[in-house]
Amino acid sequence: DVKVTQSSRYLVKRTGEKVFLECVQDMDHENMFWYRQDPGLGLRLIYFSYDVKMKEKGDIPEGYSVSREKKERFSLILESASTNQTSMYLCASSSPGRGTNYGYTFGSGTRLTVV
Amino acid sequence: GDSVTQMEGPVTLSEEAFLTINCTYTATGYPSLFWYVQYPGEGLQLLLKATKADDKGSNKGFEATYRKETTSFHLEKGSVQVSDSAVYFCALSDRRRGNQFYFGTGTSLTVIP
Repeated sequence: DVKVTQSSRYLVKRTGEKVFLECVQDMDHENMFWYRQDPGLGLRLIYFSYDVKMKEKGDIPEGYSVSREKKERFSLILESASTNQTSMYLCASSSPGRGTNYGYTFGSGTRLTVV
Repeated sequence: GDSVTQMEGPVTLSEEAFLTINCTYTATGYPSLFWYVQYPGEGLQLLLKATKADDKGSNKGFEATYRKETTSFHLEKGSVQVSDSAVYFCALSDRRRGNQFYFGTGTSLTVIP
């Protein structure tokens, strides 16, 4: 069964900590995405990547960075966590071209609480 | 730019009731349209899709028809079950914009026995 795996379901971090959220997919997908999900705001795109070592800013990149050193892994980094980054974080992947017809595959999400 | 608008929730229905969740879209190109479902505590799962006008996507008793003339992709189910309680997201992917997805804000559905 193909999967997008996020390393943690729940995380609690302190303000100012550097936080790493990991995402791994086993579908050989080129495209990977990080979203955050907040009540009433739906899904907002933070960063995405269409290839190894490539990254593009989404709609809300401030306070975040990403790393894509290997095709299967896409990491989201909170350089200095703040309470307004408390949210559900969703990773997704897709295949270029096929993504339009076949959609994204999502991970189960990481619920991050910053205290 | 591209966008998706879906009906506000939450929606509460009794078991076996008819469900409609409205979704309309704005796109400059020729998008593909999707419905995703998110069960409590989980990520999003693809429920159904339609890739061109007049296509009907269907899965698990849910249906949605791609209506280009009304720019709509409403989700329907004839008889909901308690297990359908979830949040439903309408989304589009526009080939002309690098296949980037645009999601609606989600509609929460609760089905009561």
